[in-house]
Amino acid sequence: AQKITQTQPGMFVQEKEAVTLDCTYDTSDPSYGLFWYKQPSSGEMIFLIYQGSYDQQNATEGRYSLNFQKARKSANLVISASQLGDSAMYFCAMREIIRTGANSKLTFGKGITLSVRP
Amino acid sequence: GAGVSQSPSNKVTEKGKDVELRCDPISGHTALYWYRQRLGQGLEFLIYFQGNSAPDKSGLPSDRFSAERTGESVSTLTIQRTQQEDSAVYLCASSPPANEQFFGPGTRLTVL
Repeated sequence: AQKITQTQPGMFVQEKEAVTLDCTYDTSDPSYGLFWYKQPSSGEMIFLIYQGSYDQQNATEGRYSLNFQKARKSANLVISASQLGDSAMYFCAMREIIRTGANSKLTFGKGITLSVRP
Repeated sequence: GAGVSQSPSNKVTEKGKDVELRCDPISGHTALYWYRQRLGQGLEFLIYFQGNSAPDKSGLPSDRFSAERTGESVSTLTIQRTQQEDSAVYLCASSPPANEQFFGPGTRLTVL
């Protein structure tokens, strides 16, 4: 079974500063993918970034980067140059990769609330 | 192009009644997923459809929950004899092969 742990309480960051949101995971799957989603107060789920377990480099997407430490089973999200619009819930998720091109369900953590202060 | 759409956006029902929630995936997406999100919680997987394969129903919490999908089109999630603990936001997502899931806006279900 897969498990995602997000234990940080509400996080606060000053506008324009960087912030790290923690995520640890547990799985027995040899191949898996890790995702971060943002959920603003409107409720929509917005995909941010993806890291494959066999990717050699940490994923980056604009101001988002994923600090992937496979041995520690952690996949922390780093947001650089925070903006007021970054205030939202952030969810870490993972899925098994059964074979190339296959889909599978996502297992989500409980989420972290991020508030950006002006 | 259009994203994933869900209807209704809000549904209030009385305990014991049946409800049907609808999801229209992005055209061409072979996979469709249903999740439930209770207030202040993460998303719980309910059911997953992949093309014409048998659906993965491992997340359905009870036999009161069922879902159907015809081919690679619309899906309906049915909850029979609703209970107050069924109150949640029900989110649908679709994806092409081996890609991120694109979520709809959700249906907020309130069972009185």
